Amino acid sequence: DQQVKQNSPSLSVQEGRISILNCDYTNSMFDYFLWYKKYPAEGPTFLISISSIKDKNEDGRFTVFLNKSAKHLSLHIVPSQPGDSAVYFCAASDGAGKSTFGDGTTLTVKP
Amino acid sequence: DGGITQSPKYLFRKEGQNVTLSCEQNLNHDAMYWYRQDPGQGLRLIYYSQIVNDFQKGDIAEGYSVSREKKESFPLTVTSAQKNPTAFYLCASRTTAGAYNEQFFGPGTRLTVL
Repeated sequence: DQQVKQNSPSLSVQEGRISILNCDYTNSMFDYFLWYKKYPAEGPTFLISISSIKDKNEDGRFTVFLNKSAKHLSLHIVPSQPGDSAVYFCAASDGAGKSTFGDGTTLTVKP
Repeated sequence: DGGITQSPKYLFRKEGQNVTLSCEQNLNHDAMYWYRQDPGQGLRLIYYSQIVNDFQKGDIAEGYSVSREKKESFPLTVTSAQKNPTAFYLCASRTTAGAYNEQFFGPGTRLTVL
């Protein structure tokens, strides 16, 4: 059973608008939630994270929201730029630092 | 420059042959990880190591082996027992002193078994 799910395989938005990427998880023991950005044939790069004791973390154009009761997190990108086009992976980390990844959402930002 | 290197970027092997993928980091990170990515899928954990001379199986360890003799190095061997070895392999490392539990990834090795 997949513990971290990204139900939207793809998302297309217009430049300047908001991109919202969603992620659901099942394991209440996860203590950190992370977002990574990945380009084809490259390794993922860390984008932003949130501790399970918080509900929001902001870094420039990127904000991650965590709803623990719903076991749901989302990444907001405002404003979206064409350079944001990539695959975004949601990951959940346990106390041992082991991460479980979702299947990714491909974001396309159109000029 | 600090980082993680994986070599080679592309690797071709004949079916039935073992192959070893290299992963080296100079970030002084304690923990290292190996993942496999298949098309349209996320990263699946093969093996991980929190400390030198110790490692644990991940979710899909069958057909793979690792060693951690040095802090900087975590090579992965894909054995002939791995039924579908063709995939994109990613190595990562993490400091256990970090604030966010984030992992730093190498550029990956694409293995094709003919």
